Amino acid sequence: EAGVVQSPRYKIIEKKQPVAFWCNPISGHNTLYWYRQNLGQGPELLIRYENEEAVDDSQLPKDRFSAERLKGVDSTLKIQPAELGDSAVYLCASSPRQGSDTQYFGPGTRLTVL
Amino acid sequence: GQNIDQPTEMTATEGAIVQINCTYQTSGFNGLFWYQQHAGEAPTFLSYNVLDGLEEKGRFSSFLSRSKGYSYLLLKELQMKDSASYLCAAKGSGAGSYQLTFGKGTKLSVIP
Repeated sequence: EAGVVQSPRYKIIEKKQPVAFWCNPISGHNTLYWYRQNLGQGPELLIRYENEEAVDDSQLPKDRFSAERLKGVDSTLKIQPAELGDSAVYLCASSPRQGSDTQYFGPGTRLTVL
Repeated sequence: GQNIDQPTEMTATEGAIVQINCTYQTSGFNGLFWYQQHAGEAPTFLSYNVLDGLEEKGRFSSFLSRSKGYSYLLLKELQMKDSASYLCAAKGSGAGSYQLTFGKGTKLSVIP
């Protein structure tokens, strides 16, 4: 069974530029999460989807961040415009159903903002 | 609120045993996860404890005491490939049952 797929793996951009990250969860997983992981820190939740509905986006900086999961499968996280402090690893995770115990993570996208 | 504490770094010798501790203070709690994360890679699931006691899985064991807000991950017969960060994460309860609050991770270095 394929794991969570993310692309790109690495991205370097200049500040004020837009950037987008893509995630394909494990097949059949209804719940999808986006996390941000700063260097030397644990992952912090940005947004959670149940199918196509964003059920928790309380930690998403909505002035510059947006996300979508139009058909309840793939998801895209966008930052526009990027700031220096956005440099981090952006992790996508999925789990089989709402409230399910185990979240499975993708390899992440390492973003560097110059 | 949520507060998860674990040591920042540990070093141990190949073949030895190491115990990585985690303490938590959470407003709602329904279990404790351990993940392993190699540099530049995804966190991978190691264990999940919801009841008090020790869960053994091969060379890895995990312990939970809910009354003490304490967990540990025990790694036996250490191998060089065990060098990684180990993340402790508390699972919420009720409406927050999906939510994981992660510690900062413990970077384990296994030396020959």
